[in-house]
Amino acid sequence: DAKTTQPPSMDCAEGRAANLPCNHSTISGNEYVYWYRQIHSQGPQYIIHGLKNNETNEMASLIITEDRKSSTLILPHATLRDTAVYYCIVRVGGANSKLTFGKGITLSVRP
Amino acid sequence: DAGVIQSPRHEVTEMGQEVTLRCKPISGHDYLFWYRQTMMRGLELLIYFNNNVPIDDSGMPEDRFSAKMPNASFSTLKIQPSEPRDSAVYFCASSLQGFYGYTFGSGTRLTVV
Repeated sequence: DAKTTQPPSMDCAEGRAANLPCNHSTISGNEYVYWYRQIHSQGPQYIIHGLKNNETNEMASLIITEDRKSSTLILPHATLRDTAVYYCIVRVGGANSKLTFGKGITLSVRP
Repeated sequence: DAGVIQSPRHEVTEMGQEVTLRCKPISGHDYLFWYRQTMMRGLELLIYFNNNVPIDDSGMPEDRFSAKMPNASFSTLKIQPSEPRDSAVYFCASSLQGFYGYTFGSGTRLTVV
């Protein structure tokens, strides 16, 4: 699976949009981009995934660049409860490909 | 749906003792995963099952670790004998068809003294 690069941390103000970047310059055509987050002392939580089109659900939006070498997770109106470690993961499509977590990015939402 | 249920939430045991962690996946999910999380190594995949059959156990650290899934609604991860370096949070997760989002349990915090 392609490797991802995320900055170690970022912060944003409550109520503002949080834009979390991820680089995956070696991504292959059959690899998907997944985002999970882990709030302190809890298990990771699935947020969203995509292949090449932008995706949106009730939690977030995923913007993938046209060359697919990077993506951005957008939390449109961050709240204090969004403070967590966010993991960007690239994995091959298909049932038996592994979900491998890196270090992630720590998002701190400030009041 | 109650989600993925793990027990116990916390376990403290002495070195050399046997430890058994339990997991109940979401009903209807056909994939089950065991992960371990430590500060040093982050989240590591230990083993996963599809339809109760182990598919990949390459992440299991050594023979002291074993996992079973006797039926679709129950899995165990056993460590025997336990060592202090096994101290970690162990997460179980399940998924439908392995491709969609995984649902994780709340984890078992294991401390081996």
